[in-house]
Amino acid sequence: LAKTTQPISMDSYEGQEVNITCSHNNIATNDYITWYQQFPSQGPRFIIQGYKTKVTNEVASLFIPADRKSSTLSLPRVSLSDTAVYYCLVLPLTLGRLYFGRGTQLTVWP
Amino acid sequence: GAGVSQTPSNKVTEKGKYVELRCDPISGHTALYWYRQSLGQGPEFLIYFQGTGAADDSGLPNDRFFAVRPEGSVSTLKIQRTERGDSAVYLCASSLIKEGYTGELFFGEGSRLTVL
Repeated sequence: LAKTTQPISMDSYEGQEVNITCSHNNIATNDYITWYQQFPSQGPRFIIQGYKTKVTNEVASLFIPADRKSSTLSLPRVSLSDTAVYYCLVLPLTLGRLYFGRGTQLTVWP
Repeated sequence: GAGVSQTPSNKVTEKGKYVELRCDPISGHTALYWYRQSLGQGPEFLIYFQGTGAADDSGLPNDRFFAVRPEGSVSTLKIQRTERGDSAVYLCASSLIKEGYTGELFFGEGSRLTVL
């Protein structure tokens, strides 16, 4: 499995755009990049998934450069309710199980 | 129900006791996963089922942990001779698998186990 590295914590203010970068230098050809979000006392929740270039949904955007050795989760205009832990997962979708690292604790301040 | 349901939400037990944690997945989801999460850590994979069979139990820490899913729906995680180090939040998730590809995982709110 590709090893991922992401910041342990980040701080932002309401209304700002937040970009969380995940490094995955040994990503394999059939690996996908998936991000989950976890609020306190809840299980993780799927945010977005991509293979290359850019993916956008109603919650976030995911930017993946051509070499796929990193990816950036972008949250536009964050609010206090975006305070959560964000996990970057890199693995083949045929694997079945998902491995979570420690994630990035994002704290949004008023 | 609409989401993954886990019971009990909280369980306090004494060292050495036996514990069962139940997971009711989203109807129709063929895959079911168990994770456990300690404070400040990400979820740690334990086991996953495809239908009734355990497709991967490589994350179970030792033979005190066992999980079943007899009818391919509800699953029970069983922990024998509990130890203080078993204290954690146990998370269950379910997903659809189509043509071998895993869809997004839907998690329950977890069962918090405290071993005194």
